[in-house]
Amino acid sequence: DAGVIQSPRHEVTEMGQEVTLRCKPISGHNSLFWYRQTMMRGLELLIYFNNNVPIDDSGMPEDRFSAKMPNASFSTLKIQPSEPRDSAVYFCASSLSGGADTQYFGPGTRLTVL
Amino acid sequence: GESVGLHLPTLSVQEGDNSIINCAYSNSASDYFIWYKQESGKGPQFIIDIRSNMDKRQGQRVTVLLNKTVKHLSLQIAATQPGDSAVYFCAEDLTGTASKLTFGTGTRLQVTL
Repeated sequence: DAGVIQSPRHEVTEMGQEVTLRCKPISGHNSLFWYRQTMMRGLELLIYFNNNVPIDDSGMPEDRFSAKMPNASFSTLKIQPSEPRDSAVYFCASSLSGGADTQYFGPGTRLTVL
Repeated sequence: GESVGLHLPTLSVQEGDNSIINCAYSNSASDYFIWYKQESGKGPQFIIDIRSNMDKRQGQRVTVLLNKTVKHLSLQIAATQPGDSAVYFCAEDLTGTASKLTFGTGTRLQVTL
């Protein structure tokens, strides 16, 4: 299995632009997570899907952020409009429900907003 | 861009020695705890977990200790190897299924030859 796939791996954009991050979870996993990692705040959970349904989006910072999971093999995290403080590494992870030992993280997307 | 942020505490250990990485968690109601390893440029990787009804759990070369009285978690790595060099995070969870993790700030482990 290729593991969790994220694209792009690096994104540089200008303030005000729309950014879309993509994730393909591991086949057969029924939970998907989006995390953000910064030096200031560490790793934070943004949103969690189970069986393609958003379960908890309390970590989404504000209305500029939105996430979708149209099917079991694809999810997007969109920022519109982007701001410099959104610069971070964004990780997608997928798992079988039940424990962290089945949760696998992708390689991350490093986002820089100028 | 980002301003200067937190500097991670660093633990420097000689190859072959044992490492102990500590973590204080925040929520006394958390009942599931996990240790992750993150190598440079990669996502976090699960190492070992423990539930609140246990004090100790052992894996291959790793042991996690949980002290609920003082809300403290530790990770012990036996016979530390150069490949163990990474940032280590603890995480706590209220759901028992790792679906709402709160991560600690991390400790950088440097293994010297």
